[in-house]
Amino acid sequence: GQQLNQSPQSMFIQEGEDVSMNCTSSSIFNTWLWYKQDPGEGPVLLIALYKAGELTSNGRLTAQFGITRKDSFLNISASIPSDVGIYFCAGQLYNNDMRFGAGTRLTVKP
Amino acid sequence: DAGVTQSPTHLIKTRGQQVTLRCSPISGHKSVSWYQQVLGQGPQFIFQYYEKEERGRGNFPDRFSARQFPNYSSELNVNALLLGDSALYLCASSLPSGGAINEQFFGPGTRLTVL
Repeated sequence: GQQLNQSPQSMFIQEGEDVSMNCTSSSIFNTWLWYKQDPGEGPVLLIALYKAGELTSNGRLTAQFGITRKDSFLNISASIPSDVGIYFCAGQLYNNDMRFGAGTRLTVKP
Repeated sequence: DAGVTQSPTHLIKTRGQQVTLRCSPISGHKSVSWYQQVLGQGPQFIFQYYEKEERGRGNFPDRFSARQFPNYSSELNVNALLLGDSALYLCASSLPSGGAINEQFFGPGTRLTVL
C-alpha cells in the first residue's frame, strides 16, 4: 500500500539522449523527492516537490509531483556520462516516514 | 561547511553482538533520520529524531534503537545482530519546519557486515 513502484529498473542510453523515469504508489504522499546515489556514497538530493501538480527544474533535470499525489516523474535532458548512477524517488508520508523506490540504474554510453 | 558525517565507515561484527553507529548532522540542522540500505534496494526508514525526541519510526524490530544528543548528533544501536542486518546504514539531517523531514542531506553511510 505504501510502497513505491519505480520504473524502469535500469536504462542504457546514448550520450545526448533524454531520460524519463517515474514512481507510482497507491498511497498519497505529502512530499516527493528525487535522489542520485553513486557507488560508496549516500544519496544526493536532486529535486524536492511539495505541491500536487508542481513542476520543478534543476538544470537539465525536471520533476513533477502528480496531481493525485500518488506519483512523480523525473526527466533528464541531453544526458552526459556523469549522469551515470542510481536514481531514487522518495515520498514522505504524514508521519514523517520516508519511503524510497527500488531505484533506476542509469548507464550512459559515450 | 562540513556535510553529514558518520562513523565508523566500515564495521564487521558477528551474530549476537551489539553495534553503535554515530552521526553528526550538518551544522544548524536539528533533525536526524536513520535508514538501512540493503544491496540493490532503496533506503528503508528506521527512525527520525527532532530536538532529541523520536518523531517517526519505521517497521523495524525493537533490537533497533536510537537517540539524539543536545548537540543534535545521534547514535543508532542494534542489539543481537542477525546476518540480515548486514547493510549500509545511512544518516540524514534536515532543517525541518514543524518537525517534518522535508529536504534531507545524507552522509556517506556505515557499511555493517555481520558474519
